[in-house]
Amino acid sequence: QVQLVQSGAEVKKPGASVKVSCKASGYTFTTYDIHWVRQASGQGLEWMGWMNPSSDKTGYAQKFQGRVTLTRNTSISTAYMELRSLRSEDTAVYYCARLEGDSPDYWGQGTLVTVSS
Amino acid sequence: DIQMTQSPSSLSASVGDRVTITCQASQDINTYLNWYQQKPGKAPKLLIFDAANLRTGVPSRFSGSGYGTDFTFTISNLQPEDIATYYCEQYDNLPRTFGQGTKLEIK
Repeated sequence: QVQLVQSGAEVKKPGASVKVSCKASGYTFTTYDIHWVRQASGQGLEWMGWMNPSSDKTGYAQKFQGRVTLTRNTSISTAYMELRSLRSEDTAVYYCARLEGDSPDYWGQGTLVTVSS
Repeated sequence: DIQMTQSPSSLSASVGDRVTITCQASQDINTYLNWYQQKPGKAPKLLIFDAANLRTGVPSRFSGSGYGTDFTFTISNLQPEDIATYYCEQYDNLPRTFGQGTKLEIK
C-alpha cells in the first residue's frame, strides 16, 4: 500500500536549519509530484512548495523563496524539505503529500519542528 | 495570491443533520478546488477533488459543488465520526491556498 513516512520531530534554535525527510513506498516514486504543507499549532494549512521527483523541477511559495529547498534521492525513494534561517514562527507540523493529478491523495504522518532558544 | 474565504469557522450539528460549508475564491478558479477532512493529530484527508468528484472510498454522504468563485461542501446525514475540521483548497494558481477551516462539532 502507498505510504509516506516522515522523519521524527526536531527541536532547533533560531537561525538554524532543519531537513525533513519523506520516504515513499508502495508506488513508483518518480511518477508522482510531492508537495509540502505546514500547519502551526491550532492554525490552518499553508502550502510551501512542490517537486517533481523525476525531473527534479521545483516550485516554491513566494513566502518561502530563498529559505526552503526541496530535493530528492530517487535511489531510496525519499524527498526532503530543508528550511533555513528558522524563526519561532516556523514552529509547525510539516507534511509531505503525493499528488494524484492535482490532488494530494496520500500524506505523510507529519513532522513537528519546534524552533526555540 | 488567491484568497479562499471559508464559512462558517465553526458549527454544531446533530447526528443525522445536513451540514453545509461554503468557500469563496477571490477570483475565478474554475473547478480547481479540493475539500479535506482533518482530525486532531492527523494529516488532512482528501474527500472531494475538482470541486465535485468524490474520492474513491469516501462515503457518499459527502458531496461538493460549485464553479468559478463559489463552492459548497455538504455532509448529508451527519455521523459521529464526521467530527473534524474541514478545509477547502484551490489549485488553479500557485501558491495553492486553503480556506481557514471549519470546525464541526456534534450537538
